[in-house]
Amino acid sequence: DAKTTQPNSMESNEEEPVHLPCNHSTISGTDYIHWYRQLPSQGPEYVIHGLTSNVNNRMASLAIAEDRKSSTLILHRATLRDAAVYYCILRPVPGSARQLTFGSGTQLTVLP
Amino acid sequence: DTEVTQTPKHLVMGMTNKKSLKCEQHMGHRAMYWYKQKAKKPPELMFVYSYEKLSINESVPSRFSPECPNSSLLNLHLHALQPEDSALYLCASSRPLAGNDEQYFGPGTRLTVT
Repeated sequence: DAKTTQPNSMESNEEEPVHLPCNHSTISGTDYIHWYRQLPSQGPEYVIHGLTSNVNNRMASLAIAEDRKSSTLILHRATLRDAAVYYCILRPVPGSARQLTFGSGTQLTVLP
Repeated sequence: DTEVTQTPKHLVMGMTNKKSLKCEQHMGHRAMYWYKQKAKKPPELMFVYSYEKLSINESVPSRFSPECPNSSLLNLHLHALQPEDSALYLCASSRPLAGNDEQYFGPGTRLTVT
């Protein structure tokens, strides 16, 4: 199964941008890259996903390397409410025996 | 309504008890999932239902028995659990299985087996 590698933890100052990296060197050509986050005492929450092109939504931006072996989740202005565990996940195509497999994630701490 | 609800929020049960966890969504999603999450670990997939049929069982012990009575409901029946089964049980739903669909998660049921 394709796996993702993320730093265990990162810190950011409030109102500054945060770049959360993810390596996925064994990604399949049809795997989507998904990001979820889990705030304390809550279920995971979808953040963003992409296939090849960079993506933006109201929560974040996703920058995908040209070879797709890495990606970066960008929070443009971190707030205290963004403190969470961020998971980078490869989502295979339907019919694949592989499913949404969470990696170990990055614990983001936002400092006031 | 983009909410997945789970009941109960907390459950304490003995090893000889039978209990059930319930999950409900009204987003018209036809794929539903059960995950197990131990403290400070990522969620682990247990079961996947697609169009009310079990499509994936990740080698889960038979003391966990899932059920999908209709497109909005997902149950997890528990029997003869072990203390190591204590965990947060998360339910999720999505449109029919597709690589580009987001999953919506419920808040989870915190299960303690004594």
